[in-house]
Amino acid sequence: DGGITQSPKYLFRKEGQNVTLSCEQNLNHDAMYWYRQDPGQGLRLIYYSQIVNDFQKGDIAEGYSVSREKKESFPLTVTSAQKNPTAFYLCASGTTPGPDWDTQYFGPGTRLTVL
Amino acid sequence: QKEVEQNSGPLSVPEGAIASLNCTYSDRGSQSFFWYRQYSGKSPELIMFIYSNGDKEDGRFTAQLNKASQYVSLLIRDSQPSDSATYLCAGSGDSGGYQKVTFGIGTKLQVIP
Repeated sequence: DGGITQSPKYLFRKEGQNVTLSCEQNLNHDAMYWYRQDPGQGLRLIYYSQIVNDFQKGDIAEGYSVSREKKESFPLTVTSAQKNPTAFYLCASGTTPGPDWDTQYFGPGTRLTVL
Repeated sequence: QKEVEQNSGPLSVPEGAIASLNCTYSDRGSQSFFWYRQYSGKSPELIMFIYSNGDKEDGRFTAQLNKASQYVSLLIRDSQPSDSATYLCAGSGDSGGYQKVTFGIGTKLQVIP
């Protein structure tokens, strides 16, 4: 069964804690992305990776970190430096290049709440 | 700044009617456009993509692209209550050698039985 999985579904963080959100895909996609979604705002890009061992900052990378050691995995760490981390986090993957190379497919998301 | 604009709605249509969702974009270099459906509390689900001027049909859905007017739309025929969701429009264009996808805030659609 091909797809993108994210865990956990819900995550609660205390002030000052780092937390890591998992994202795994078995679609054999090269590119992977992390977005956050806040009410009334569009999806905002945090980080993206087009190939293993390489990743780039998106529009709102401050307070976040990622790694891409395997093609299938792209974990996101929300650090204590992220001042307003409560949001819905979405991982996506996509093919590069190809006729539909910008098409992104989303995982089920992780809802992070700061206590 | 490259933007994709959508009316947040809600757009209310009666069951069986045609729902018309609209989107404009600022980047003339944008090449591909996407429509996603997002149910409350869930992640976006791809409906269709379009990259050529004109219409593209897939079942009850028709995407329309007019690059001269920088306008994208999604028509949903025979709207059903299960179509009630937020519809995200997105456009893809070059951003420093990387194809970046920019999302609109989404239009909330309510189909009234």
